[in-house]
Amino acid sequence: NAGVMQNPRHLVRRRGQEARLRCSPMKGHSHVYWYRQLPEEGLKFMVYLQKENIIDESGMPKERFSAEFPKEGPSILRIQQVVRGDSAAYFCASSPPGMGAYEQYFGPGTRLTVT
Amino acid sequence: GQQVMQIPQYQHVQEGEDFTTYCNSSTTLSNIQWYKQRPGGHPVFLIQLVKSGEVKKQKRLTFQFGEAKKNSSLHITATQTTDVGTYFCAGNINTGFQKLVFGTGTRLLVSP
Repeated sequence: NAGVMQNPRHLVRRRGQEARLRCSPMKGHSHVYWYRQLPEEGLKFMVYLQKENIIDESGMPKERFSAEFPKEGPSILRIQQVVRGDSAAYFCASSPPGMGAYEQYFGPGTRLTVT
Repeated sequence: GQQVMQIPQYQHVQEGEDFTTYCNSSTTLSNIQWYKQRPGGHPVFLIQLVKSGEVKKQKRLTFQFGEAKKNSSLHITATQTTDVGTYFCAGNINTGFQKLVFGTGTRLLVSP
């Protein structure tokens, strides 16, 4: 049973380019979360999605960032016109369906470097 | 907004010594989870506490949830080099959605 998959694992972009980060949740999981982690810092919640729905995007910057979780395919975190401050590790996590409190299973992360 | 603080930020111990990290939330939590992140790795779930005053043990690790459900602690007895990593608590507010607010983390270094 494959865990949460993220790709790419490392991504280098020049300022102004677009970054697309992909996340495939664990089989059977319908909840996806995206977090950002700066070096030597904690995890900052960005967005919580279910299939075709954004449930909570209170942690997403108002501009340049968007996320989706389509009916088919992986969840995508998209960063337009990247700046150096976007350099960070971006982790995706998934959890089973339902309204209870479940553990979150994290993917290996995408390390984004903006040059 | 809700904040979850952890202390200490960093601790360096000799192998065999004990270690404790404390987690404090600005708001009452419905439950709290603990995660461990090894250097260069991703967070891995350790445990979840739900009840006020709950205490759970996993081998050398003891987790506690405060009576007011606003604080928690993780205690490691007789640390080993394999305990190296950053320990995060993550609080869940009963908003009806599964939104975790992660603590600032405690980085543990264990010298042999």
